[in-house]
Amino acid sequence: SQTIHQWPATLVQPVGSPLSLECTVEGTSNPNLYWYRQAAGRGLQLLFYSVGIGQISSEVPQNLSASRPQDRQFILSSKKLLLSDSGFYLCAWSGQASSGNTIYFGEGSWLTVV
Amino acid sequence: AQKITQTQPGMFVQEKEAVTLDCTYDTSDPSYGLFWYKQPSSGEMIFLIYQGSYDQQNATEGRYSLNFQKARKSANLVISASQLGDSAMYFCAMREDAWVGFQKLVFGTGTRLLVSP
Repeated sequence: SQTIHQWPATLVQPVGSPLSLECTVEGTSNPNLYWYRQAAGRGLQLLFYSVGIGQISSEVPQNLSASRPQDRQFILSSKKLLLSDSGFYLCAWSGQASSGNTIYFGEGSWLTVV
Repeated sequence: AQKITQTQPGMFVQEKEAVTLDCTYDTSDPSYGLFWYKQPSSGEMIFLIYQGSYDQQNATEGRYSLNFQKARKSANLVISASQLGDSAMYFCAMREDAWVGFQKLVFGTGTRLLVSP
């Protein structure tokens, strides 16, 4: 069966510090990968998606970047965090369009920028 | 314009009763998908149920069913026989199939469900 894990689960970082959140998927190959952010009390906003290694698309301009160095690895980064980067970050995966309709989420990472 | 609308910020239900969580959507795409996710206090988003726009029957998954009314553009989640563990945030989401190759979901703002003993 497929599993998705992301870490760290909780992070408290000072303004201006770097960020790296990592996500890996097991049990599937060539997944579509996503990073979402959820601000407090809000729905989810798609930040980045990737349909293959090295292929990253950004949905909204921001202080963050994403990379996909391996087929099942997706990394969310920042060189200098802002207070507004605080939130709950969720990695997700889905199969290719022909293989199913569902997107599955990881456990999430709580980021507090202080 | 908001594509997914959840008008109930909070809902209360007693254990063992049924509850309906409302969701309306807006799209001009004839092919789309509708999802419901549960988010407990731990934060994890748990997939509950999926309905495709061309599906003839309402989707069901155990105690969850989706009341799909295409003409009204509504996709309400019905939870039968509520349990204490159902207390959580519930999100409705839509995928427009024009986004070929990957699944871009648009989420509503969620409904917080509290189940009381």
